[in-house]
Amino acid sequence: SAVISQKPSRDICQRGTSLTIQCQVDSQVTMMFWYRQQPGQSLTLIATANQGSEATYESGFVIDKFPISRPNLTFSTLTVSNMSPEDSSIYLCSVEHWTGAGGYTFGSGTRLTVV
Amino acid sequence: QKEVEQDPGPLSVPEGAIVSLNCTYSNSAFQYFMWYRQYSRKGPELLMYTYSSGNKEDGRFTAQVDKSSKYISLFIRDSQPSDSATYLCAMSANYGGSQGNLIFGKGTKLSVKP
Repeated sequence: SAVISQKPSRDICQRGTSLTIQCQVDSQVTMMFWYRQQPGQSLTLIATANQGSEATYESGFVIDKFPISRPNLTFSTLTVSNMSPEDSSIYLCSVEHWTGAGGYTFGSGTRLTVV
Repeated sequence: QKEVEQDPGPLSVPEGAIVSLNCTYSNSAFQYFMWYRQYSRKGPELLMYTYSSGNKEDGRFTAQVDKSSKYISLFIRDSQPSDSATYLCAMSANYGGSQGNLIFGKGTKLSVKP
């Protein structure tokens, strides 16, 4: 299966600032996915990032708040913009699991605290 | 009614016990079912993947799907302290492509005591 490296693993940020999270995959993938995991809540898909096209955002998430880049088939970034304490969460990137077993592989996540 | 319901626990069992983790769902179109294990400060790790109804076994883990009851289960035999983690169920109507229709449960926190 794919191996995902995600950076930073954690950060504490001031409100009103922005943080860019990086996701690197060890193989070329068509789609990369960004999730948010809030305490006590289900994983929620933020957007799907395709190389060479605009990201597709889920209901409740907008590009101005969560701009995404996908410059090539192994890399993507998610920016959390103009942060508020409500953005404190774990952010995860994910790709399809290529062993034929189905499912999806996740990065280790970025634990963000906004103060 | 939420699409996927999962008891958050926490569930505490002694080492060697059989653990049963469950999810119920409301969308009859779901046909791909997954279980993920998530250790503290790590991303979810795919544990089991099943299609449609039936059982699937992998070592100490057995996944069951009962589509007629809209109920899925994960059984862990001879549980070990290393099984202590949060277990997430996930399901979708379609395989692959956009994950817009992949729905997760909130996760059950399991603790296996030595």
